[in-house]
Amino acid sequence: LAKTTQPISMDSYEGQEVNITCSHNNIATNDYITWYQQFPSQGPRFIIQGYKTKVTNEVASLFIPADRKSSTLSLPRVSLSDTAVYYCLVGPLSGGYNKLIFGAGTRLAVHP
Amino acid sequence: NAGVTQTPKFRVLKTGQSMTLLCAQDMNHEYMYWYRQDPGMGLRLIHYSVGEGTTAKGEVPDGYNVSRLKKQNFLLGLESAAPSQTSVYFCASSFQGRMNTEAFFGQGTRLTVV
Repeated sequence: LAKTTQPISMDSYEGQEVNITCSHNNIATNDYITWYQQFPSQGPRFIIQGYKTKVTNEVASLFIPADRKSSTLSLPRVSLSDTAVYYCLVGPLSGGYNKLIFGAGTRLAVHP
Repeated sequence: NAGVTQTPKFRVLKTGQSMTLLCAQDMNHEYMYWYRQDPGMGLRLIHYSVGEGTTAKGEVPDGYNVSRLKKQNFLLGLESAAPSQTSVYFCASSFQGRMNTEAFFGQGTRLTVV
């Protein structure tokens, strides 16, 4: 499994754009990149997933460079409610991968 | 839709007592997982199941047992609780063949062992 590295914590202010980068130097050809968000006292929830280039949904954007050795989760104009822990996961969508392994994640604190 | 439901939500156990945590999902998912989360840390995989009647060990399986007798239920058992098992336990499920995307989590069970 590809090892991922994220910053332990980040601070931001309401209205700012937040970019959280995840390093995954040994990503495999058939690996996808998935991000989860966990609010305090709740289970994680899926935010976004991508393979290459850029993916955007109503919550966030995911930027993946051509070499795919890193990815950046972008949260536009954050609010206090975006305070959460964000996890980057890397692995294949299918083909015998049975485990969903979370790292320590990035703890984002949004301030007024 | 209920999604993933965990029972109970809170529990206090004395050292040496046993208990079972129940996870139920109504999405017909093949894969189910049990995690524990200690304060300020990420989730660690305890056990998982790729289908009815099958289970496998995760990262931290010692002290826990699991069973998947029905597709919709995944039980986590503590035979002899220890203070080190004080944690928040999360159950999750996902579609077969989509293990690394859109896993759905329950609200957690906060367990304290005294």
